[in-house]
Amino acid sequence: GIQVEQSPPDLILQEGANSTLRCNFSDSVNNLQWFHQNPWGQLINLFYIPSGTKQNGRLSATTVATERYSLLYISSSQTTDSGVYFCAVFSLKAAGNKLTFGGGTRVLVKP
Amino acid sequence: NAGVTQTPKFQVLKTGQSMTLQCAQDMNHNSMYWYRQDPGMGLRLIYYSASEGTTDKGEVPNGYNVSRLNKREFSLRLESAAPSQTSVYFCASSEVNGGWTEAFFGQGTRLTVV
Repeated sequence: GIQVEQSPPDLILQEGANSTLRCNFSDSVNNLQWFHQNPWGQLINLFYIPSGTKQNGRLSATTVATERYSLLYISSSQTTDSGVYFCAVFSLKAAGNKLTFGGGTRVLVKP
Repeated sequence: NAGVTQTPKFQVLKTGQSMTLQCAQDMNHNSMYWYRQDPGMGLRLIYYSASEGTTDKGEVPNGYNVSRLNKREFSLRLESAAPSQTSVYFCASSEVNGGWTEAFFGQGTRLTVV
């Protein structure tokens, strides 16, 4: 099946810093989503981004489907950005209709 | 708009007990999913239902059964709980129609088997 790798696995930021999270996938995908899992365990949809670039406030994401990667940018980080960021992909070529998740990037923003 | 609602939010079971996790969505989606998340890990698919009346196994189906009761509801049953099933369970829904639309997740059920 399709493999999804995220880097870095852990990230410690000072409040106000910028950062880039990366998601690589092993085969062509039809769709890709970024999620933020907050410290209470809730999965929050950030971006639905099979290709191109989207922005939502201090967050933006870019997916280059032909090169099989996506990037999530966090600018002017805040303590509320702490949590785990997951990338998940969907491929019609993969067995079963499912989102395949990466292992996540654990982010800690210090005040 | 509630989205995806899971019940219960927390549960403690003794080894060998059974229970059913409930999930309902109000977005008129055809596809529904059950995932589990073990500590420090990503999510793994247990079962999914592409449409009402169909269910299929995911990556980790052993020890679970599912029922797609109607278009809105998709339940997950543990027949004889084991400590290895201690995890957080997430239900999700989406529309798959030649491609994929955005998936939405419930708040999760934290299950502990002792």
